[in-house]
Amino acid sequence: DVKVTQSSRYLVKRTGEKVFLECVQDMDHENMFWYRQDPGLGLRLIYFSYDVKMKEKGDIPEGYSVSREKKERFSLILESASTNQTSMYLCASSWGQFYGYTFGSGTRLTVV
Amino acid sequence: DAKTTQPTSMDCAEGRAANLPCNHSTISGNEYVYWYRQIHSQGPQYIIHGLKNNETNEMASLIITEDRKSSTLILPHATLRDTAVYYCIVLTQGGSEKLVFGKGMKLTVNP
Repeated sequence: DVKVTQSSRYLVKRTGEKVFLECVQDMDHENMFWYRQDPGLGLRLIYFSYDVKMKEKGDIPEGYSVSREKKERFSLILESASTNQTSMYLCASSWGQFYGYTFGSGTRLTVV
Repeated sequence: DAKTTQPTSMDCAEGRAANLPCNHSTISGNEYVYWYRQIHSQGPQYIIHGLKNNETNEMASLIITEDRKSSTLILPHATLRDTAVYYCIVLTQGGSEKLVFGKGMKLTVNP
């Protein structure tokens, strides 16, 4: 089975800290995605990548950046964490929409 | 603009078939219907997708109307573990579109 692993299940960070959320997939997928999920707002796409060193903005990229140096790893970076970035962050990977996306279990980030 | 419309919630008795409806009246000819679900505190899980023919896999069946304006996801024998939020999504296969999740529908399977 395809596995998408997110490095932390729960994370608490202070306002202004630089935060790294790591995601690793083990099935050689080309595409990787970062979403955040908030009550009442559903899942929203932050950034995605179709190839190594390639990135594209999703619907809500402000305050975030990403890094994809290796095919299997896609990192989400909060340059200066703020309380409104408290959320559940979900990473996903796929060969393409036709094959479906595989999601990780999520990282619940709290910024205090 | 939401491409799909689903009821907010639905209940189903354990062991019975759960029929989850979805309206997608503006679907275009090259758009597929995808279903995902999200069990509490987990990431979404891909279930099934289809274009115009009915599809079945080990998890569910997907019935798409002839005019493609609506579809139904069928869980043939619902279990308590099927309690989740179910998302119906339309998407162009192979295109640059990304998965966009709406609010979905909460299915509660009752003992």
